[in-house]
Amino acid sequence: GEEVAQTPKHLVRGEGQKAKLYCAPIKGHSYVFWYQQVLKNEFKFLISFQNENVFDETGMPKERFSAKCLPNSPCSLEIQATKLEDSAVYFCASSQSKAGNTIYFGEGSWLTVV
Amino acid sequence: AQSVTQPDIHITVSEGASLELRCNYSYGATPYLFWYVQSPGQGLQLLLKYFSGDTLVQGIKGFEAEFKRSQSSFNLRKPSVHWSDAAEYFCAVGARGSQGNLIFGKGTKLSVKP
Repeated sequence: GEEVAQTPKHLVRGEGQKAKLYCAPIKGHSYVFWYQQVLKNEFKFLISFQNENVFDETGMPKERFSAKCLPNSPCSLEIQATKLEDSAVYFCASSQSKAGNTIYFGEGSWLTVV
Repeated sequence: AQSVTQPDIHITVSEGASLELRCNYSYGATPYLFWYVQSPGQGLQLLLKYFSGDTLVQGIKGFEAEFKRSQSSFNLRKPSVHWSDAAEYFCAVGARGSQGNLIFGKGTKLSVKP
């Protein structure tokens, strides 16, 4: 597709429940990134993939968060046993293979943990 | 430590007036520099980017930014603001050779009064 597609747009989970978010990158883009935006302003890099391989996971919390990009499937970000502080907008982005290429962002998935 | 500072949390300008949004960065080497805009409930749209070459960069929607290495700044400007420019603006830096691990500023909210 011509845009980064994220689903669902909104997700509400009770504390302790699992949350799973999906991202379809722009067709032809080899890199996928996940960002977390909390408090409406603070963006935090979580993880990036080069095709199905983890490229950089320095921002991923060690516990409860996992992500995958499998061939012929949307990428996913999963949070096990959600906590209140996981409430945020999770943005997926993608770019072509060349370093420095423009990174295109999706519209985000708003996770609310209650 | 690598960081991006946007000193102004909120700026209000009159429609038709000029605009300058400030961005200062702290980075070990010459970074890639970006300005993104986020409208309410939307993802991030790239306004412009600096990788190398001419330090005055032209972007979309009439925006431009100037990279000043001596001041570690990348300020965003527009000569005449339109009401539709009201949004949140984010400055971001990325390392050369990295892919997508961007460090964002906390954003500047722009309000436009008639």
